[in-house]
This record gives sequence, C-alpha cells and structure tokens, in this order.
Amino acid sequence: DAGITQSPRHKVTETGTPVTLRCHQTENHRYMYWYRQDPGHGLRLIHYSYGVKDTDKGEVSDGYSVSRSKTEDFLLTLESATSSQTSVYFCAISEEGVGPTGELFFGEGSRLTVL
Amino acid sequence: GIQVEQSPPDLILQEGANSTLRCNFSDSVNNLQWFHQNPWGQLINLFYIPSGTKQNGRLSATTVATERYSLLYISSSQTTDSGVYFCAVTGGTSYGKLTFGQGTILTVHP
Repeated sequence: DAGITQSPRHKVTETGTPVTLRCHQTENHRYMYWYRQDPGHGLRLIHYSYGVKDTDKGEVSDGYSVSRSKTEDFLLTLESATSSQTSVYFCAISEEGVGPTGELFFGEGSRLTVL
Repeated sequence: GIQVEQSPPDLILQEGANSTLRCNFSDSVNNLQWFHQNPWGQLINLFYIPSGTKQNGRLSATTVATERYSLLYISSSQTTDSGVYFCAVTGGTSYGKLTFGQGTILTVHP
C-alpha cells in the first residue's frame, strides 16, 4: 500500500472557523491531490500540486487554499468553514501526473462536518 | 470536458457469481483507472489500464480505447468484493485531471 497518511481522520467544527487537513506521504511522489466526495457528485478535484510550492486549482477550488512546503506534505485549508464544505476529503498521490502516465493512489480520507 | 458513464448503477449478486462492469467515455483517453471503494470508505487502486487487458487474481479489466469503453470483470465474487467501483479517466480537454464516473454499487450476498 502507498504510504499516505491523512490527519485528522474525523473533525467536527463550527461555521466560520478555520480548518486545516494534512496529507503526508512517504513515497516521494511529485504529484499530490485533494478531492472531496459527496453523494450525487462523486469525487471532485479541489486542488493539486506538481511540486514543492507549485499548486493549481481543480474544479471546486472556491473556499479552499493549499500549500506544499515539502515534498511529503500537502495541506488543505478552509479559511472559514461553511456547511457546504461538509464532506469526505481524500488526498491522493501519483509519481507522474495523471495526464499521460500517472497512477493515482488514495489516502484513507478525512470526514469533516461543519455545523 | 470528458464524460464518463458507468453501468449498471447497482448490481446485486450471490457469492460465487461472475459480473461485468462497464465504463464508457466520450473522448480519447490517455489514462484510465479502476478503483474499488470498500464499505469502510477506502479507495483502492485496482487497475491502471488506458488500453489492453490486465488480470489480477479474480479481477480482470479490458480497455478498448478506439471504441471508448472499458470493462471490469469480477469472477467468483465474494462478499468482500462489495462496495463501489469507480472508473476514472484523463483525456480530451481534461488533460492532466482525472474525471470520475458515478460508480457502480456492488452488493454480494453470502
């Protein structure tokens, strides 16, 4: 199994509070991704990173920011959480980009509830 | 962007039965993967298969890129096969970003 650790695994917070989810990998893969999974919407890409300090937006990036200061860590921040951000968040990694050759591996997910 | 359709949406089997799951996509692809999400929510990478055929134990997959579909075969199904199976692709104008289908929910009864 790919070495991907997400923390926290479960979090309950209140509307308006900041939240940071952490993804840590031990595979030294270049690419890291944050997805959210919601009923009726499947898995949707929030942000991704193609190297240290190199990030780009996905299809549902509004309300989220990311940072990657080290190869192994990719942080997802909700500056002011809203109820619409209640979801299960998955981190994923790939050695190559998922364009031509990248095979994607997922972490175990972080369940966030915003009250 | 590229569209991904999976069928059937739901499938119920008795243990020991075989099944075929289908993934249709709307444009040429350069990346196709099958994932299994188990009842505990874990997403497991089953196959990376933009073309051709691969086998892993009781599971096999075939992608016919020229006809824009992929098939996942599960033989002698077990209760542990239950969960949701996702197909995900990169291609068309969605280069660099994996687009997921809505999944097939498989339930295997003992």
